[in-house]
Amino acid sequence: NAGVTQTPKFQVLKTGQSMTLQCAQDMNHEYMSWYRQDPGMGLRLIHYSVGAGITDQGEVPNGYNVSRSTTEDFPLRLLSAAPSQTSVYFCASSSTGGEYFGPGTRLTVT
Amino acid sequence: GENVEQHPSTLSVQEGDSAVIKCTYSDSASNYFPWYKQELGKRPQLIIDIRSNVGEKKDQRIAVTLNKTAKHFSLHITETQPEDSAVYFCAASRNNAGNMLTFGGGTRLMVKP
Repeated sequence: NAGVTQTPKFQVLKTGQSMTLQCAQDMNHEYMSWYRQDPGMGLRLIHYSVGAGITDQGEVPNGYNVSRSTTEDFPLRLLSAAPSQTSVYFCASSSTGGEYFGPGTRLTVT
Repeated sequence: GENVEQHPSTLSVQEGDSAVIKCTYSDSASNYFPWYKQELGKRPQLIIDIRSNVGEKKDQRIAVTLNKTAKHFSLHITETQPEDSAVYFCAASRNNAGNMLTFGGGTRLMVKP
């Protein structure tokens, strides 16, 4: 099993650009989430999904959209990038025992 | 919403000593409490978790205790080794599936040889 995979690993955007961070899991987990981690801080929940077709907002959802058309995939869209969205983004999946994180995407917005 | 506070923010111990990290939470409905270890530039990795129907859980050199009345939980690492050096995060959730986590701010543990 590959577990949770994310692409790209690194990305630089200009203010106002849009992009999609990809996330996929092959563990057949029902739940998937996106977190962001700013330097020296803990992770904060952006959006989550409890199954295909169902998504909801976390603690810091503004400026991000998600969709969940399949169990495996949970992309995160930045609509109009801002410097405040510079962060490391982690996708995670879970079933009954805790979040399992992907390797992360380091995003810089200039 | 939930608020999780973690102390200390940095902890330095000699190899072989014990390390204790403490967290408090605010939401009495939280019932799942995991601990994650994050090495520099890597993803957080789950090292141990505890649910609200249990007071203590051990896994080799690592143990976690939970006091639901006081709304605090702690991570104990015994016989620390240099490879234990990392940032440790506590978290809390209302969801038994272990998602929708609220994280503490992290503790940087340094184990000196």
